[in-house]
Amino acid sequence: GESVGLHLPTLSVQEGDNSIINCAYSNSASDYFIWYKQESGKGPQFIIDIRSNMDKRQGQRVTVLLNKTVKHLSLQIAATQPGDSAVYFCAERSTSGTYKYIFGTGTRLKVLA
Amino acid sequence: DTGVSQDPRHKITKRGQNVTFRCDPISEHNRLYWYRQTLGQGPEFLTYFQNEAQLEKSRLLSDRFSAERPKGSFSTLEIQRTEQGDSAMYLCASSFGLAGEFGPSTDTQYFGPGTRLTVL
Repeated sequence: GESVGLHLPTLSVQEGDNSIINCAYSNSASDYFIWYKQESGKGPQFIIDIRSNMDKRQGQRVTVLLNKTVKHLSLQIAATQPGDSAVYFCAERSTSGTYKYIFGTGTRLKVLA
Repeated sequence: DTGVSQDPRHKITKRGQNVTFRCDPISEHNRLYWYRQTLGQGPEFLTYFQNEAQLEKSRLLSDRFSAERPKGSFSTLEIQRTEQGDSAMYLCASSFGLAGEFGPSTDTQYFGPGTRLTVL
């Protein structure tokens, strides 16, 4: 069935370094992907999205890369800050017609001072 | 605050009791979703509304669960005869999409803060 998974459950990076969070998805027909950030006790917060007709999209300090050939997504965070510490989810939009999102387990990003 | 709001933020109940949660979506959004999230996991889809119509329900949504969106604005999620396994964070999300649209358009979902349910 459809699934979205993450390669690394926990990622620790030094403050100021770049972070890369990876995600694999299984449904090659998925057309839209979102990265969410979730802090403890809060709902997921939209970070950046990408449509399947794109390979790369940049935001403020964040870049999402999409490799449809291997069904892989990554989130790059430049100059990681303590406020970036959170759990990050990639979400894949189902193409069943009702646009539900399928989330993976998440990667916890820890920023070390 | 113009984001998605949920009420209550926390609910503690005893097994067997009924609970109801409310979600107020972003005002111009016509789509509304409920998800459930357990510790360490990503959100799992429960149900979806386009305006007032409930268009999809997950198999996770047992007969004890019911959701409504009577006027196409706010929504309620009710759990009857709660069980300990219902303990989770219940998240609401909303988005805007054109009716009947099934193309590869964006449909960004924005989440509320969630309702944390603890069943004792």
